[in-house]
Amino acid sequence: DQQVKQNSPSLSVQEGRISILNCDYTNSMFDYFLWYKKYPAEGPTFLISISSIKDKNEDGRFTVFLNKSAKHLSLHIVPSQPGDSAVYFCAVYNQGGKLIFGQGTELSVKP
Amino acid sequence: ETGVTQSPTHLIKTRGQQVTLRCSSQSGHNTVSWYQQALGQGPQFIFQYYREEENGRGNFPPRFSGLQFPNYSSELNVNALELDDSALYLCASNLRGSGAYNEQFFGPGTRLTVL
Repeated sequence: DQQVKQNSPSLSVQEGRISILNCDYTNSMFDYFLWYKKYPAEGPTFLISISSIKDKNEDGRFTVFLNKSAKHLSLHIVPSQPGDSAVYFCAVYNQGGKLIFGQGTELSVKP
Repeated sequence: ETGVTQSPTHLIKTRGQQVTLRCSSQSGHNTVSWYQQALGQGPQFIFQYYREEENGRGNFPPRFSGLQFPNYSSELNVNALELDDSALYLCASNLRGSGAYNEQFFGPGTRLTVL
């Protein structure tokens, strides 16, 4: 059973526009959520996180929104840049303190 | 400060063989986690080691085993390789401290192909 789901395998946006990546989770007990970015031939790198006591966290062009009632989080990138093209993973820490990842969304930002 | 490194970069094995993958944690980190990333999927947690002891395990059979050494480097061993073991294997390290959630730093991975 997939506890963390990213239903869009890919997303293509124009440079300068907003990119919105979505993630759903099943367990209401999850309380810490992260986004990782992965380039080919590199390991995932941490991007931004949010605790369940918040509904929004911003870091420069990146904002994560958390909707606990819907068990949904999203990552907004504004404005999108070609260098943002990568695979983005949503992840949560389970009760044992271990990371559970979604399947990933491949973002392509066109110049 | 040295990041997480993994060796080898690529590896090809045949079914039934055994493989050892290696990871060198980021300096100062005392916890290492291993993940398997199949094609088109997200990383799946295999197990974690803290101070040389296993500290949690995902849904992987016993033929996946690991070690963490006093210098916090780590090995992942897989016995009796199967075709489905073909994947990218990622190692991540972090400093386990007072906080519940400590950022994990990933290595570039080892691409294992089982023929």
